[in-house]
Amino acid sequence: GENVEQHPSTLSVQEGDSAVIKCTYSDSASNYFPWYKQELGKGPQLIIDIRSNVGEKKDQRIAVTLNKTAKHFSLHITETQPEDSAVYFCAALRALNAGNMLTFGGGTRLMVKP
Amino acid sequence: DAGVTQSPTHLIKTRGQQVTLRCSPKSGHDTVSWYQQALGQGPQFIFQYYEEEERQRGNFPDRFSGHQFPNYSSELNVNALLLGDSALYLCASSLGSGGFQPQHFGDGTRLSIL
Repeated sequence: GENVEQHPSTLSVQEGDSAVIKCTYSDSASNYFPWYKQELGKGPQLIIDIRSNVGEKKDQRIAVTLNKTAKHFSLHITETQPEDSAVYFCAALRALNAGNMLTFGGGTRLMVKP
Repeated sequence: DAGVTQSPTHLIKTRGQQVTLRCSPKSGHDTVSWYQQALGQGPQFIFQYYEEEERQRGNFPDRFSGHQFPNYSSELNVNALLLGDSALYLCASSLGSGGFQPQHFGDGTRLSIL
């Protein structure tokens, strides 16, 4: 089955700096890669996703890049703000006709210091 | 627009008991997936329900079972509870069981086993 590894497990940055979180996956058939943000006491919130036919996607301060050959994808957050502090999870999925199972990485705790 | 709602928010049980958790999907969604999130880890897929049938199952024992109702809401049942079942149980909904449909999560049910 699919295995997703995520690094680093914790990341501390100064407000205004950039943050980068990296993930690798094992199943070359995976073709959909979402990123989730989880705040304390809340469920994961989808912040951006990318399909395997796209190399990069941006949404304001957030961007995701995908390297299918190397089987890794990354989340980039620019101009970080204290409200970006949370746990971030990457995930991978092989889109099937029925029954889609997300496989998650272990998470990255991002701390943005004012 | 109501998001994914789960009940109860917290639950305390003892070993050997049985528990039922409930989920109402986001308005317009017809597919429900259940995940288990242990403390400090990423969510792990339990199973997915679509058209009142289990479409895919993760690596969880038969003690974990589910149901989907005609109104798309779902229940997760766990029998013969073990200490290791203590976790946050997350429900995610999507439109359709296959393809690239994003999964949106509720805030979960925190289950503690004494």
